[in-house]
Amino acid sequence: TQLLEQSPQFLSIQEGENLTVYCNSSSVFSSLQWYRQEPGEGPVLLVTVVTGGEVKKLKRLTFQFGDARKDSSLHITAAQPGDTGLYLCAGAALGTYKYIFGTGTRLKVLA
Amino acid sequence: GAVVSQHPSRVICKSGTSVKIECRSLDFQATTMFWYRQFPKKSLMLMATSNEGSKATYEQGVEKDKFLINHASLTLSTLTVTSAHPEDSSFYICSASWGDYGYTFGSGTRLTVV
Repeated sequence: TQLLEQSPQFLSIQEGENLTVYCNSSSVFSSLQWYRQEPGEGPVLLVTVVTGGEVKKLKRLTFQFGDARKDSSLHITAAQPGDTGLYLCAGAALGTYKYIFGTGTRLKVLA
Repeated sequence: GAVVSQHPSRVICKSGTSVKIECRSLDFQATTMFWYRQFPKKSLMLMATSNEGSKATYEQGVEKDKFLINHASLTLSTLTVTSAHPEDSSFYICSASWGDYGYTFGSGTRLTVV
């Protein structure tokens, strides 16, 4: 069974600060996704990474897939209150499109 | 594009009754849909993979007879919670796949069993 551990679990920071969220596993993934979820809503896909070492940028968000495709990170620059939410990574085992979600990181950005 | 509609958004039912949740892909065809369950302040737990025209594939520990999944068309999958009990109260979310890595989630259904 794949296990995806995210760290930190909770993060409360001031507006303008930078932060990094980590997603780690002992399993190799064919692809990995990051989502953001707001209370009472479904997760919204932010990015999909498929190549080891791949880096993708989405405005102030930078996503990196580990060289061995076992881990990933999400870096947010100059966080804003609108970034507040639950961030989830999700990995698909080799040869599948079935995604298993990580433990989640709850981010709160204070104005 | 790639919109998924999930209905109802909230439902309260009495213990022992059954509840059906619908997941529709509005502007695309989805041969595969996924059903997740989410406990308060926790991550999503995959329950089953719903395949159009065939039986769903359930994850370990998920009762097939309890959570009935039907994927009768390329745009609709349903999850029926049978003989619901208070411990089945949860947030249920579906997602539908499009393209190689495209996934869109529904807005979720909050089930409360009293």
